Amino acid sequence: RKEVEQDPGPFNVPEGATVAFNCTYSNSASQSFFWYRQDCRKEPKLLMSVYSSGNEDGRFTAQLNRASQYISLLIRDSKLSDSATYLCVVRRPGQNFVFGPGTRLSVLP
Amino acid sequence: SQTIHQWPATLVQPVGSPLSLECTVEGTSNPNLYWYRQAAGRGLQLLFYSVGIGQISSEVPQNLSASRPQDRQFILSSKKLLLSDSGFYLCAWSTPPGNTIYFGEGSWLTVV
Repeated sequence: RKEVEQDPGPFNVPEGATVAFNCTYSNSASQSFFWYRQDCRKEPKLLMSVYSSGNEDGRFTAQLNRASQYISLLIRDSKLSDSATYLCVVRRPGQNFVFGPGTRLSVLP
Repeated sequence: SQTIHQWPATLVQPVGSPLSLECTVEGTSNPNLYWYRQAAGRGLQLLFYSVGIGQISSEVPQNLSASRPQDRQFILSSKKLLLSDSGFYLCAWSTPPGNTIYFGEGSWLTVV
């Protein structure tokens, strides 16, 4: 089993839709959690960190469930510019970052 | 503010030729440095990481090597490229305790 797994995608949604991505991690010692966004042929960029209490940044909401070892990202009112691959990232203390395979999102006009 | 640069951005190399990709970080001291590779349509694979000058850890045995001659410089090399070395190479840094990782713009390598 991979250490970080994500919805396989791709997700094709119309503009204005709400879309949710799921991510699970296998190592319960993981302490840090992130969502990155990667545009086609570009480097990954930090979208948001994920905190235990959940956090929101504009149209984006991240949730963490430590008991289920599950992370989610919700995007409301999707824009064409949201089209990208979304990467789930986890890290154990003193260990390297582990990236999920990514979920591709296409927002259609 | 911190910045990271890597070069070249794109290169096409014949099989058996050498490779050198360079990466520098500015605006921070003693960063952790990383080299990742992303094959077409695949996830990120960690190749090397470094916690200090001359300290290199390899995650995947292969014909690539890495060096850190200065605190903020990280170099990825190969003596003889293989077709399977083609991909998108990304340099990255984090500051200990490493709560976030930041990537350079990436280098597209095509081995022909």
